[in-house]
Amino acid sequence: SQQGEEDPQALSIQEGENATMNCSYKTSINNLQWYRQNSGRGLVHLILIRSNEREKHSGRLRVTLDTSKKSSSLLITASRAADTASYFCATLGGSNYKLTFGKGTLLTVNP
Amino acid sequence: EAQVTQNPRYLITVTGKKLTVTCSQNMNHEYMSWYRQDPGLGLRQIYYSMNVEVTDKGDVPEGYKVSRKEKRNFPLILESPSPNQTSLYFCASSLVLKETQYFGPGTRLLVL
Repeated sequence: SQQGEEDPQALSIQEGENATMNCSYKTSINNLQWYRQNSGRGLVHLILIRSNEREKHSGRLRVTLDTSKKSSSLLITASRAADTASYFCATLGGSNYKLTFGKGTLLTVNP
Repeated sequence: EAQVTQNPRYLITVTGKKLTVTCSQNMNHEYMSWYRQDPGLGLRQIYYSMNVEVTDKGDVPEGYKVSRKEKRNFPLILESPSPNQTSLYFCASSLVLKETQYFGPGTRLLVL
């Protein structure tokens, strides 16, 4: 069963712009993780945010978590063509400790 | 170099011919899992293992088997592959379940 759902499904922006992707989930979580996947390749971990955290940064990435709204967002600032990829959120269930991935957001950054 | 390796990377086979996809990690991770990725369906977990000799079903276990005899290896076995198992398969590991997952490069399987 899918827990995290990303929005939008696809996003196209110009280089230098910011990209925001959202993830909503339905039940309590232990943590939420964001991953990136270049076409057909393995997923690469970006950021893990725990349920008691509200915001985390890593370079040009900023992740927020709102447990009251059961949602998270991933912001990529000053995007580059190399950021073109699919981005997935994964939620670790708070009670069942089940890690569930969403279907992803396809980000295209045009040069 | 810390990594998760999978073999083979590409495989074409025929219905009913047993196959094994190997997965190995060199990070002494306790948790390992297998996913399949299909267009429009995202990643779905097939099986996972919390530690040696401890395995459990994920969301789509039908038609698959796994074993965890050693900490570093977690092979995925398709006893009698069928065309609906054509997919892109990923192995992943983490120190423990609650931590970051490290993914292998993927195995693209085509069952004719």
